[in-house]
Amino acid sequence: DTGVSQDPRHKITKRGQNVTFRCDPISEHNRLYWYRQTLGQGPEFLTYFQNEAQLEKSRLLSDRFSAERPKGSFSTLEIQRTEQGDSAMYLCASSLVVEELFFGSGTQLSVL
Amino acid sequence: KQEVTQIPAALSVPEGENLVLNCSFTDSAIYNLQWFRQDPGKGLTSLLLIQSSQREQTSGRLNASLDKSSGRSTLYIAASQPGDSATYLCAADTQGGSEKLVFGKGTKLTVNP
Repeated sequence: DTGVSQDPRHKITKRGQNVTFRCDPISEHNRLYWYRQTLGQGPEFLTYFQNEAQLEKSRLLSDRFSAERPKGSFSTLEIQRTEQGDSAMYLCASSLVVEELFFGSGTQLSVL
Repeated sequence: KQEVTQIPAALSVPEGENLVLNCSFTDSAIYNLQWFRQDPGKGLTSLLLIQSSQREQTSGRLNASLDKSSGRSTLYIAASQPGDSATYLCAADTQGGSEKLVFGKGTKLTVNP
């Protein structure tokens, strides 16, 4: 499969725990994006990388959130001290040219 | 601040019907407008991208139009099929790099056999 891969597909955690998600973009894509989607809403931008540089972060990305993309390849999104409001689908996308985004299947997070 | 609205929120049609999904945006200064499809519990699949200088784009049974002056885009689906059942999302790119697409809430389409 040469598409965008996200792991895990589902994550259930208790409030206060830390969680980490992984995204593997399409191999030649230099841009990588993270979006968050809650039930019944459209995705909301969180952050994006060009190669290994994190170029922009949304105000939605509180201090408990951190994203990395070492060596400009895969990316991780970590949420510390999870809260029930963090429950959502976390979507990763990648692109080679700026306008055509390819999304992964997402990681569904449930915080109990 | 760009806001994107999609009407209706849900639509149910019999198979074979032609249909139109609507998308409106508040800031006409967009670089492009994209339409995506999302199946339940899945990610998004890009359907059509209309550049700000274009009026429409076509792919198979899908046709998307863009009217920047009125802040509207439509997605026309011809001869609908049960496999078209999904949520359709439109997204406005206001920065020119797709870094911060602004999405609508989507229209959930059900095509009944």
